[in-house]
Amino acid sequence: DAGITQSPRHKVTETGTPVTLRCHQTENHRYMYWYRQDPGHGLRLIHYSYGVKDTDKGEVSDGYSVSRSKTEDFLLTLESATSSQTSVYFCAADREGSGGTHYNEQFFGPGTRLTVL
Amino acid sequence: GESVGLHLPTLSVQEGDNSIINCAYSNSASDYFIWYKQESGKGPQFIIDIRSNMDKRQGQRVTVLLNKTVKHLSLQIAATQPGDSAVYFCAENRGANNLFFGTGTRLTVIP
Repeated sequence: DAGITQSPRHKVTETGTPVTLRCHQTENHRYMYWYRQDPGHGLRLIHYSYGVKDTDKGEVSDGYSVSRSKTEDFLLTLESATSSQTSVYFCAADREGSGGTHYNEQFFGPGTRLTVL
Repeated sequence: GESVGLHLPTLSVQEGDNSIINCAYSNSASDYFIWYKQESGKGPQFIIDIRSNMDKRQGQRVTVLLNKTVKHLSLQIAATQPGDSAVYFCAENRGANNLFFGTGTRLTVIP
C-alpha cells in the first residue's frame, strides 16, 4: 500500500460546509493523486501533485482544491461541499524506479467515504 | 469518443476454473496499462502492468494480454479462488502522469 493513510475514513457533512481530506504517505513518493469513485464512473482523477507546491488539475477538478506543503501530505479541500460531491475519495502515490524513473504504477490508500447532506 | 471500458460488468466462475476479464481502449497513443483489483471497502490494489511494446506479461496466476491492433486488453486468472472475488479495473496511461480507469468488472467465484 506504499504506506498511504487517509483521514478521516468516514465523514458526514452538510451542504455548504468546508471539508478537508488528508492523505499521508511515509515513503517519500514524489507523485500523489486524489480520485473520486462513483458507481458507473470508476475512478476519476480530481487533482494530482508532482512535488511540494506543484499541483495540477485532473478530469473532475471543479469544486476542489489541493495543497501539498510537504512531501508526505496531500490535502484535498471542498470549499463548499455539495451533494454531488458525495463519493468515496481515494488518494494514491506512484512508485518510482531507480534514477527517478516514473512508472505511474499507482498505489492507493484505503479511501474516505464522504456524505454531503 | 475515447474510452476505457469493459465488455462485461459481471463475471461468475467456478472455483478452480480460469477467468478472463476484458477491457477495450480507444486511445492508440496509450503506452502503459495496469490491472487493479478492488475488494469491498478497500482501495484498488495493483495486480500487473504491461507496456505497449509488449503483447503478453505473466505474473503469479495472472497473465495480461495486449492486442494493439484491436485495442484490447485482457486479464487472465488461472485456477480462480474465492479470494479472487472482487472488482477488477483496467487503467491506461494517456500521458501527463494520468491514469484513466474503466468502470470495472465484478468477478464472483462460486465455491
